[in-house]
Amino acid sequence: ILNVEQSPQSLHVQEGDSTNFTCSFPSSNFYALHWYRWETAKSPEALFVMTLNGDEKKKGRISATLNTKEGYSYLYIKGSQPEDSATYLCAFLSGSARQLTFGSGTQLTVLP
Amino acid sequence: DAGITQSPRHKVTETGTPVTLRCHQTENHRYMYWYRQDPGHGLRLIHYSYGVKDTDKGEVSDGYSVSRSKTEDFLLTLESATSSQTSVYFCAISESIGGSAGELFFGEGSRLTVL
Repeated sequence: ILNVEQSPQSLHVQEGDSTNFTCSFPSSNFYALHWYRWETAKSPEALFVMTLNGDEKKKGRISATLNTKEGYSYLYIKGSQPEDSATYLCAFLSGSARQLTFGSGTQLTVLP
Repeated sequence: DAGITQSPRHKVTETGTPVTLRCHQTENHRYMYWYRQDPGHGLRLIHYSYGVKDTDKGEVSDGYSVSRSKTEDFLLTLESATSSQTSVYFCAISESIGGSAGELFFGEGSRLTVL
């Protein structure tokens, strides 16, 4: 079982604050790293799929970076809004696997 | 939205009874997955399929079996439900493994309660 860790487990920020959280994964045999956003009572939706060391992806106010050599990815949210409140999941795919291993998520609450 | 439907969406059953959850897709994606969601654990893979009649175990496969007789359908069966199998079950599909096409699309979830 691969170890994929996310920190912090939960986070409360004020509207307008920028925030970031971390996903750590094995640094060997890397193939891909996914980020998903999961709103309460809905299904997870993909934000980014990252495959190359040094990748930076951006979607609106949300961006992500990837460091495969040291085994971590950061997700950044600029100017958080209440609608950003959700659980953010990362998932790691190793070169020898056919399935993703998910972290347990970071639960973000943005207070108005 | 990806065409994935799960049924039933909610089910209450008793310990020891068999339960089958169905996942149906209209996207013709090769890969299909069953996950369970539990507090503190995020999503854990139960079983997955990489083609018709091709399936494999995931992290938490004990007590579950699957079948895929058609591209569009992936069934999850609990032969004899236990209270520890009370959970929300998500089906997911992907076009491929890895790369941008490896993105997962999730169904709406099936909430199962085993009394």
